[in-house]
Amino acid sequence: DAGVIQSPRHEVTEMGQEVTLRCKPISGHDYLFWYRQTMMRGLELLIYFNNNVPIDDSGMPEDRFSAKMPNASFSTLKIQPSEPRDSAVYFCASSLSQGLTQPQHFGDGTRLSIL
Amino acid sequence: RKEVEQDPGPFNVPEGATVAFNCTYSNSASQSFFWYRQDCRKEPKLLMSVYSSGNEDGRFTAQLNRASQYISLLIRDSKLSDSATYLCVVNRAGGGNKLTFGTGTQLKVEL
Repeated sequence: DAGVIQSPRHEVTEMGQEVTLRCKPISGHDYLFWYRQTMMRGLELLIYFNNNVPIDDSGMPEDRFSAKMPNASFSTLKIQPSEPRDSAVYFCASSLSQGLTQPQHFGDGTRLSIL
Repeated sequence: RKEVEQDPGPFNVPEGATVAFNCTYSNSASQSFFWYRQDCRKEPKLLMSVYSSGNEDGRFTAQLNRASQYISLLIRDSKLSDSATYLCVVNRAGGGNKLTFGTGTQLKVEL
């Protein structure tokens, strides 16, 4: 079975540029999550969707970050303009909604470096 | 206080040793608990769910103490391949499927 697919795997860009990260969740999963991981702060939830609708975006750092889920098989996380402090690994995860015991399945992540 | 707290380690143990990790959570309404494993430069992967009665999966045993808001993971007969960071994860009641991750405990198993 295909897992969560993220692209690109690595992204290096200069500050001020727009960055778009992409995610394809596992087919049939109705929850999608975007996380950011750094050495200092660990794994932080940025935003999550249920049935393509954003449920909680309280973790989004600021207005430079935005996320969309136009359909059940695709989501994007956009940073505009990017800053060096945005450098991190960004993970997308998906899960089913049957009760609270469903684990989340993570993609390989996008390693983002802003110069 | 962090919602999920873990000792960051590292725990350096010889192959074959038994090692235990602990985790505390602050929200008494938490309902689901997990241990995830993360290898260096890889994504987190579910290791095991933690049930109220405790549960075992091969060399791994997870325990939950709701009264003390405490979760543990025991690894017996540790292998070199067990070297990784172990993340304690909690799902809060009313939080949908939102998980809160601890910052992880690093384990290094040595020859």
